[in-house]
Amino acid sequence: GAGVSQSPSNKVTEKGKDVELRCDPISGHTALYWYRQSLGQGLEFLIYFQGNSAPDKSGLPSDRFSAERTGGSVSTLTIQRTQQEDSAVYLCASSLGNWVETQYFGPGTRLLVL
Amino acid sequence: AQKITQTQPGMFVQEKEAVTLDCTYDTSDPSYGLFWYKQPSSGEMIFLIYQGSYDQQNATEGRYSLNFQKARKSANLVISASQLGDSAMYFCAMREPPIQGAQKLVFGQGTRLTINP
Repeated sequence: GAGVSQSPSNKVTEKGKDVELRCDPISGHTALYWYRQSLGQGLEFLIYFQGNSAPDKSGLPSDRFSAERTGGSVSTLTIQRTQQEDSAVYLCASSLGNWVETQYFGPGTRLLVL
Repeated sequence: AQKITQTQPGMFVQEKEAVTLDCTYDTSDPSYGLFWYKQPSSGEMIFLIYQGSYDQQNATEGRYSLNFQKARKSANLVISASQLGDSAMYFCAMREPPIQGAQKLVFGQGTRLTINP
């Protein structure tokens, strides 16, 4: 079946602009995660959605970052007023929801803020 | 405190040789899961193998096996008969039981494996 898909695959933006990153999880997966992979920080958890529960936003680095998940499926990560330090690969993953279940990752969105 | 430690930033191995990638972890919870992911240059994180803390047997998936030593808190990945396509970054990750909804994976810094022909 289809895996996790993300779009765009690459995004170049100017400092101060807003960007939206999209994630389409594996069909039937109720849990969705966003991670950020940057050179200096490795892989960091950003946010987690599980079904209709309130998301776990504990990993979001600032209030410029937000995410939503519509209809329990597609998720959008929004970064407002982008900064150069936001440049990274943003990875989305999904799983069946139980905490022991494997998370399957998408190909990522490479964001470059000039 | 570092939860996952991968002490080998880079490794170089001859094709067809076996290779062991080290991973040690730190947790006080008796229930946890350990994962290995492969990240080729394309960037996608590919799941390789999973070991649960209560699993009696070491996990195996094809050429991949996990050398799980619970008392030492180590979960090394063993790749048998390495292939050129195994060249990639390899990440060890841990998942602890959710606390107040948190179910994140915590990753090590990764090991870059290069297979030489």
